[in-house]
Amino acid sequence: KQEVTQIPAALSVPEGENLVLNCSFTDSAIYNLQWFRQDPGKGLTSLLLIQSSQREQTSGRLNASLDKSSGRSTLYIAASQPGDSATYLCAVQGGSEKLVFGKGTKLTVNP
Amino acid sequence: EAGVVQSPRYKIIEKKQPVAFWCNPISGHNTLYWYRQNLGQGPELLIRYENEEAVDDSQLPKDRFSAERLKGVDSTLKIQPAELGDSAVYLCASSLSLFSTPYEQYFGPGTRLTVT
Repeated sequence: KQEVTQIPAALSVPEGENLVLNCSFTDSAIYNLQWFRQDPGKGLTSLLLIQSSQREQTSGRLNASLDKSSGRSTLYIAASQPGDSATYLCAVQGGSEKLVFGKGTKLTVNP
Repeated sequence: EAGVVQSPRYKIIEKKQPVAFWCNPISGHNTLYWYRQNLGQGPELLIRYENEEAVDDSQLPKDRFSAERLKGVDSTLKIQPAELGDSAVYLCASSLSLFSTPYEQYFGPGTRLTVT
């Protein structure tokens, strides 16, 4: 059974700092990995999707990497801003097509 | 292009009452998912539809939960009767799946259910 773990559970940083969120998964047989953002009381917004054959994806200040063999992914946020404050969720998709999520990392960026 | 639409956004009911949630996926998306997200947890899949067929309902508590997607477009998730432990956010997602290649899933805003 696939299990996804996200570390840390919460993170507080000053504005402008670069930061890394970590995600690990137990079964490396995945089709893709997605990083989502969730604001309080809102749904999920997809940030980046990495196919199993890819090593990384970039969008603006965000960079996600995938090491499928070791079951790890990182989300790098450059020059963090208060508007980046949210919960970040990592999810992997395997053959069943369902997404298996971690519990998320709650990020607070302080002005 | 409109995203995934869900209604209602919030619902408060007493235990043992029935409740229903509605979802309209992105136009053209043949795969529809219902997830449940408990407080402080990631979403967990309840049921997945390919067009009008439920192809994965292994996590759906069938004694009280039911779902339908009659015309392969919008979908309804029902709980009857609701229990206190059903309080959660119910998320709908859709994707365009061709053959057996999974595509990116797009989520709606969710319905926050509170059972008192």
